[in-house]
Amino acid sequence: DVKVTQSSRYLVKRTGEKVFLECVQDMDHENMFWYRQDPGLGLRLIYFSYDVKMKEKGDIPEGYSVSREKKERFSLILESASTNQTSMYLCASSLEQGADEQYFGPGTRLTVT
Amino acid sequence: GQNIDQPTEMTATEGAIVQINCTYQTSGFNGLFWYQQHAGEAPTFLSYNVLDGLEEKGRFSSFLSRSKGYSYLLLKELQMKDSASYLCAAIRMDSSYKLIFGSGTRLLVRP
Repeated sequence: DVKVTQSSRYLVKRTGEKVFLECVQDMDHENMFWYRQDPGLGLRLIYFSYDVKMKEKGDIPEGYSVSREKKERFSLILESASTNQTSMYLCASSLEQGADEQYFGPGTRLTVT
Repeated sequence: GQNIDQPTEMTATEGAIVQINCTYQTSGFNGLFWYQQHAGEAPTFLSYNVLDGLEEKGRFSSFLSRSKGYSYLLLKELQMKDSASYLCAAIRMDSSYKLIFGSGTRLLVRP
C-alpha cells in the first residue's frame, strides 16, 4: 500500500512566520505534488516535482517555495505566512507522469493568525 | 482558458442510482480522473478515462465524451458510506502534465 504522510494534521502560525510543511512517501514515486484545498475552489496545484532537486511551478506558486533533496521527501515552504494562506494543504505522489493516479496524504490544516 | 464545472451538492436515497456530471474546458486535454473524498480525509482514486465511452468498476462507472467536453460518474446501489465529495480532475498537458480539479460535488445519501 502506498503511504503518503504529512508532518502535521493541524498547524497554527502567526503572520510573518516561516512555515515548513513536510511530506514523505514510501513507494519510491518519482512525482510529488503540493495542493491547497479551499471551499468552492477545489484543489489547486502549488508546486510539483518530477525528480530529486527538480521543481516546477503549478497554478498558484506565489508566496510558496519547495524543496526536494531526497526522492521520498517534498517540502512546502511559506517564506512569510499570511492570513490568505490559511487553508488545507494536501501532498500527493505518483509513479508515472500524466495518466497515473495520484496518492494523497491526509492533509495539513494550516491556520495563519 | 481552463474550467471544470460540476454541481456543488446532490442528494440521493440509499439503494438508488446517482449520476454526477462534469464539464471541462482545458487546452492539452489528456484524460479525466474521478476521486472520492470523505470529510476530513484524503482524496482517493476512483476512475480514469482517456478514450470516449464507459468504464465500469463494480458499483461505480465513469463516462467520457471528449468531443463534448463531458464526463459523468455513475454510482449504483447507493450506500450510506457513499456520502462524500466527488472530485472531477482533467489532465492538462503543456510543458508537463498537471491535474486541474473541479470544486467537487458533495453527495449526501439518505436512508
